[in-house]
Amino acid sequence: DAMVIQNPRYQVTQFGKPVTLSCSQTLNHNVMYWYQQKSSQAPKLLFHYYDKDFNNEADTPDNFQSRRPNTSFCFLDIRSPGLGDAAMYLCATSRENMDPALQYFGPGTRLTVL
Amino acid sequence: GDSVTQMEGPVTLSEEAFLTINCTYTATGYPSLFWYVQYPGEGLQLLLKATKADDKGSNKGFEATYRKETTSFHLEKGSVQVSDSAVYFCALSGYGNKLVFGAGTILRVKS
Repeated sequence: DAMVIQNPRYQVTQFGKPVTLSCSQTLNHNVMYWYQQKSSQAPKLLFHYYDKDFNNEADTPDNFQSRRPNTSFCFLDIRSPGLGDAAMYLCATSRENMDPALQYFGPGTRLTVL
Repeated sequence: GDSVTQMEGPVTLSEEAFLTINCTYTATGYPSLFWYVQYPGEGLQLLLKATKADDKGSNKGFEATYRKETTSFHLEKGSVQVSDSAVYFCALSGYGNKLVFGAGTILRVKS
């Protein structure tokens, strides 16, 4: 089945230690998104890619970076995680020339910062 | 800016009860509207959507009608099951097709 895959499902890191979360998709969608979801809150968009074009949200901290080496993969890098970065991180995809507002979500990676 | 307001939870119902989760929105233009569901420990899944006024989205017994005059998209189900226990998010497609989510409503169904 075509899908959005996130690895790992659970990630534990130490305060200040860089961490990378990964997302892959078999849907061949050209748009990929990263969201941060803190406990009992709505998902918050961090950034997204239209193909290789990177679009950062204005309030996304510089501590958060992203890479998209090809259509299928997208990475979220947190350069120096703080305790406030503990959250669920969701990857999503959509296809611009079909229904661009319809997003398909992965299962998420839950990040714990010690 | 665009925003979505959902009724606060948790909503606790007995099995086979009728469900309504209220959702209202503020947006410029004519956004598409969505309900997403998040089961414990999982990502979001699209439940249903509507793209224009008076459209009714439906899936798995859930329904919601796009009401432009009241800027609402309330989620309903005639008879809930324990397996419907989850968090439900109302969302709209805003500027640049970005999703704007409500805060989510926890639904707990007791047997």
